[in-house]
Amino acid sequence: EDQVTQSPEALRLQEGESSSLNCSYTVSGLRGLFWYRQDPGKGPEFLFTLYSAGEEKEKERLKATLTKKESFLHITAPKPEDSATYLCAVQGAPEIQGAQKLVFGQGTRLTINP
Amino acid sequence: NAGVMQNPRHLVRRRGQEARLRCSPMKGHSHVYWYRQLPEEGLKFMVYLQKENIIDESGMPKERFSAEFPKEGPSILRIQQVVRGDSAAYFCASSPTDRESPLHFGNGTRLTVT
Repeated sequence: EDQVTQSPEALRLQEGESSSLNCSYTVSGLRGLFWYRQDPGKGPEFLFTLYSAGEEKEKERLKATLTKKESFLHITAPKPEDSATYLCAVQGAPEIQGAQKLVFGQGTRLTINP
Repeated sequence: NAGVMQNPRHLVRRRGQEARLRCSPMKGHSHVYWYRQLPEEGLKFMVYLQKENIIDESGMPKERFSAEFPKEGPSILRIQQVVRGDSAAYFCASSPTDRESPLHFGNGTRLTVT
Protein backbone atom coordinates (compact mmCIF):
# COMPACT_ATOMS: atom_id res chain seq x y z
CA GLU A 1 0.00 0.00 0.00
CA ASP A 2 1.26 3.47 -0.92
CA GLN A 3 2.25 5.59 2.06
CA VAL A 4 3.36 9.17 2.60
CA THR A 5 4.80 10.55 5.85
CA GLN A 6 5.52 14.24 6.35
CA SER A 7 7.67 15.84 9.00
CA PRO A 8 7.59 17.87 11.07
CA GLU A 9 3.86 18.06 11.82
CA ALA A 10 4.21 21.74 12.64
CA LEU A 11 7.00 24.28 12.19
CA ARG A 12 7.32 27.86 13.43
CA LEU A 13 9.91 30.12 11.84
CA GLN A 14 10.81 33.76 12.06
CA GLU A 15 10.46 35.80 8.91
CA GLY A 16 13.60 35.30 6.84
CA GLU A 17 14.56 32.03 8.58
CA SER A 18 15.04 29.35 5.92
CA SER A 19 14.14 25.70 6.51
CA SER A 20 13.01 22.47 4.84
CA LEU A 21 9.96 20.23 5.05
CA ASN A 22 10.31 16.49 4.53
CA CYS A 23 8.10 14.00 2.69
CA SER A 24 9.01 10.30 2.84
CA TYR A 25 7.13 7.91 0.62
CA THR A 26 6.69 4.30 -0.45
CA VAL A 27 4.82 3.65 -3.67
CA SER A 28 4.49 0.91 -6.25
CA GLY A 29 5.83 2.65 -9.32
CA LEU A 30 6.01 6.39 -8.81
CA ARG A 31 4.33 8.38 -11.55
CA GLY A 32 4.56 11.71 -9.78
CA LEU A 33 5.09 13.39 -6.43
CA PHE A 34 3.03 16.50 -5.79
CA TRP A 35 3.28 19.41 -3.40
CA TYR A 36 0.19 21.41 -2.52
CA ARG A 37 -0.42 24.38 -0.25
CA GLN A 38 -3.63 24.57 1.79
CA ASP A 39 -4.86 27.69 3.57
CA PRO A 40 -7.48 27.43 6.34
CA GLY A 41 -10.97 26.91 4.92
CA LYS A 42 -9.67 26.44 1.39
CA GLY A 43 -8.88 23.57 -0.94
CA PRO A 44 -5.34 22.45 -1.75
CA GLU A 45 -3.55 24.68 -4.24
CA PHE A 46 -1.09 23.00 -6.59
CA LEU A 47 2.58 23.96 -6.27
CA PHE A 48 4.84 21.38 -7.96
CA THR A 49 5.00 17.99 -9.64
CA LEU A 50 8.23 15.99 -9.57
CA TYR A 51 8.60 12.90 -11.73
CA SER A 52 12.03 11.38 -11.19
CA ALA A 53 14.89 11.31 -8.69
CA GLY A 54 17.20 14.28 -9.01
CA GLU A 55 14.52 16.58 -10.35
CA GLU A 56 14.09 20.04 -8.84
CA LYS A 57 11.39 22.69 -9.28
CA GLU A 58 11.36 26.29 -8.03
CA LYS A 59 8.69 28.91 -7.51
CA GLU A 60 9.48 32.18 -5.75
CA ARG A 61 10.79 31.25 -2.28
CA LEU A 62 10.01 27.54 -2.64
CA LYS A 63 12.14 24.76 -4.11
CA ALA A 64 11.11 21.11 -4.26
CA THR A 65 13.57 18.24 -4.69
CA LEU A 66 13.09 14.50 -5.13
CA THR A 67 15.08 11.36 -4.33
CA LYS A 68 13.99 7.72 -4.64
CA LYS A 69 12.63 7.72 -1.08
CA GLU A 70 11.80 11.30 -0.14
CA SER A 71 11.13 14.82 -1.24
CA PHE A 72 12.05 18.10 0.38
CA LEU A 73 10.32 21.45 0.16
CA HIS A 74 12.91 24.13 0.86
CA ILE A 75 11.69 27.54 1.94
CA THR A 76 14.16 30.36 1.57
CA ALA A 77 13.73 33.63 3.49
CA PRO A 78 10.02 33.00 4.14
CA LYS A 79 7.45 35.72 4.65
CA PRO A 80 4.31 35.65 6.84
CA GLU A 81 2.17 35.03 3.74
CA ASP A 82 3.95 31.68 3.30
CA SER A 83 2.13 30.47 6.42
CA ALA A 84 -0.06 27.51 5.41
CA THR A 85 -0.26 23.72 5.57
CA TYR A 86 1.95 22.08 2.95
CA LEU A 87 0.75 18.74 1.64
CA CYS A 88 2.76 16.08 -0.16
CA ALA A 89 1.08 13.40 -2.29
CA VAL A 90 2.16 10.54 -4.54
CA GLN A 91 0.55 9.02 -7.60
CA GLY A 92 1.36 5.46 -8.65
CA ALA A 93 2.06 4.28 -12.17
CA PRO A 94 -1.07 4.26 -14.36
CA GLU A 95 -0.86 0.56 -15.25
CA ILE A 96 -1.63 -0.34 -11.65
CA GLN A 97 -5.31 -0.79 -10.80
CA GLY A 98 -6.73 2.23 -9.02
CA ALA A 99 -3.54 4.21 -9.36
CA GLN A 100 -5.15 7.39 -10.65
CA LYS A 101 -5.74 8.55 -7.10
CA LEU A 102 -3.33 10.66 -5.02
CA VAL A 103 -2.20 9.41 -1.63
CA PHE A 104 -1.61 12.36 0.70
CA GLY A 105 0.55 12.82 3.76
CA GLN A 106 -0.78 14.48 6.91
CA GLY A 107 0.78 17.80 6.03
CA THR A 108 3.17 20.19 7.73
CA ARG A 109 1.59 23.25 9.32
CA LEU A 110 4.01 26.13 8.71
CA THR A 111 3.79 29.41 10.61
CA ILE A 112 6.03 32.35 9.75
CA ASN A 113 6.19 35.00 12.45
CA PRO A 114 6.89 38.60 11.41
CA ASN B 1 -11.71 30.91 -16.00
CA ALA B 2 -13.70 29.25 -13.26
CA GLY B 3 -12.02 26.63 -11.15
CA VAL B 4 -13.62 23.61 -9.54
CA MET B 5 -16.90 24.73 -8.00
CA GLN B 6 -18.38 23.01 -4.98
CA ASN B 7 -21.64 23.73 -3.25
CA PRO B 8 -22.80 24.23 -0.70
CA ARG B 9 -19.72 25.50 1.14
CA HIS B 10 -21.26 24.58 4.47
CA LEU B 11 -23.95 22.00 5.14
CA VAL B 12 -25.55 21.12 8.46
CA ARG B 13 -27.57 17.94 8.77
CA ARG B 14 -29.15 16.13 11.68
CA ARG B 15 -28.36 12.48 12.26
CA GLY B 16 -30.37 10.31 9.90
CA GLN B 17 -30.83 12.93 7.20
CA GLU B 18 -29.34 12.83 3.72
CA ALA B 19 -26.48 15.05 2.52
CA ARG B 20 -25.93 15.92 -1.15
CA LEU B 21 -22.67 17.55 -2.14
CA ARG B 22 -22.18 18.96 -5.63
CA CYS B 23 -19.08 19.46 -7.72
CA SER B 24 -18.72 21.13 -11.09
CA PRO B 25 -15.28 20.37 -12.56
CA MET B 26 -13.14 22.88 -14.39
CA LYS B 27 -14.16 23.54 -17.96
CA GLY B 28 -12.82 20.82 -20.22
CA HIS B 29 -12.20 18.39 -17.36
CA SER B 30 -14.04 15.08 -17.55
CA HIS B 31 -12.48 13.29 -14.57
CA VAL B 32 -13.63 13.92 -11.02
CA TYR B 33 -12.19 12.77 -7.70
CA TRP B 34 -13.74 13.06 -4.24
CA TYR B 35 -11.61 13.29 -1.09
CA ARG B 36 -12.53 13.55 2.58
CA GLN B 37 -10.55 15.46 5.20
CA LEU B 38 -11.31 14.76 8.82
CA PRO B 39 -10.24 17.32 11.45
CA GLU B 40 -6.47 17.19 11.99
CA GLU B 41 -6.11 14.44 9.38
CA GLY B 42 -4.89 14.27 5.83
CA LEU B 43 -6.94 14.02 2.66
CA LYS B 44 -8.28 10.52 2.01
CA PHE B 45 -9.30 9.35 -1.45
CA MET B 46 -12.92 8.25 -1.78
CA VAL B 47 -13.90 7.81 -5.43
CA TYR B 48 -12.82 8.55 -8.99
CA LEU B 49 -15.40 9.07 -11.72
CA GLN B 50 -15.56 9.84 -15.39
CA LYS B 51 -18.72 10.92 -17.14
CA GLU B 52 -21.37 8.25 -16.40
CA ASN B 53 -18.76 5.82 -15.00
CA ILE B 54 -17.30 5.02 -11.60
CA ILE B 55 -13.67 4.07 -12.22
CA ASP B 56 -12.35 3.51 -8.68
CA GLU B 57 -14.47 3.54 -5.53
CA SER B 58 -11.97 1.76 -3.31
CA GLY B 59 -12.05 4.58 -0.73
CA MET B 60 -15.81 4.77 -0.37
CA PRO B 61 -17.47 3.36 2.74
CA LYS B 62 -19.46 0.28 1.78
CA GLU B 63 -22.78 1.63 3.04
CA ARG B 64 -24.65 4.94 2.89
CA PHE B 65 -22.22 6.63 0.48
CA SER B 66 -22.70 6.89 -3.28
CA ALA B 67 -21.37 9.06 -6.08
CA GLU B 68 -22.35 9.85 -9.62
CA PHE B 69 -21.16 12.00 -12.49
CA PRO B 70 -23.99 12.18 -15.05
CA LYS B 71 -23.63 13.08 -18.69
CA GLU B 72 -25.07 16.50 -17.94
CA GLY B 73 -24.66 18.41 -14.71
CA PRO B 74 -22.37 18.26 -11.70
CA SER B 75 -20.94 15.28 -9.89
CA ILE B 76 -22.90 14.40 -6.75
CA LEU B 77 -21.62 12.78 -3.57
CA ARG B 78 -24.58 11.46 -1.60
CA ILE B 79 -24.50 10.40 2.03
CA GLN B 80 -27.63 8.74 3.35
CA GLN B 81 -28.60 8.54 7.02
CA VAL B 82 -25.68 10.69 8.13
CA VAL B 83 -23.95 10.03 11.46
CA ARG B 84 -21.70 12.31 13.54
CA GLY B 85 -18.62 10.56 12.19
CA ASP B 86 -19.46 11.83 8.69
CA SER B 87 -18.66 15.39 9.81
CA ALA B 88 -15.69 16.43 7.69
CA ALA B 89 -14.59 18.57 4.79
CA TYR B 90 -15.31 16.96 1.43
CA PHE B 91 -13.16 18.08 -1.48
CA CYS B 92 -13.66 17.54 -5.16
CA ALA B 93 -10.84 17.63 -7.69
CA SER B 94 -10.82 17.42 -11.47
CA SER B 95 -8.41 16.68 -14.27
CA PRO B 96 -8.68 16.73 -18.08
CA THR B 97 -7.69 13.05 -18.56
CA ASP B 98 -6.80 10.19 -16.24
CA ARG B 99 -3.14 10.58 -17.18
CA GLU B 100 -3.04 14.30 -16.72
CA SER B 101 -1.71 15.95 -13.62
CA PRO B 102 -2.05 17.87 -11.44
CA LEU B 103 -5.47 17.62 -9.88
CA HIS B 104 -7.21 20.95 -9.30
CA PHE B 105 -9.24 21.11 -6.11
CA GLY B 106 -12.34 23.02 -5.14
CA ASN B 107 -12.70 24.79 -1.79
CA GLY B 108 -14.71 21.97 -0.32
CA THR B 109 -18.02 21.41 1.44
CA ARG B 110 -17.87 21.37 5.21
CA LEU B 111 -20.45 18.93 6.50
CA THR B 112 -21.52 19.13 10.13
CA VAL B 113 -23.80 16.45 11.53
CA THR B 114 -25.64 17.44 14.69
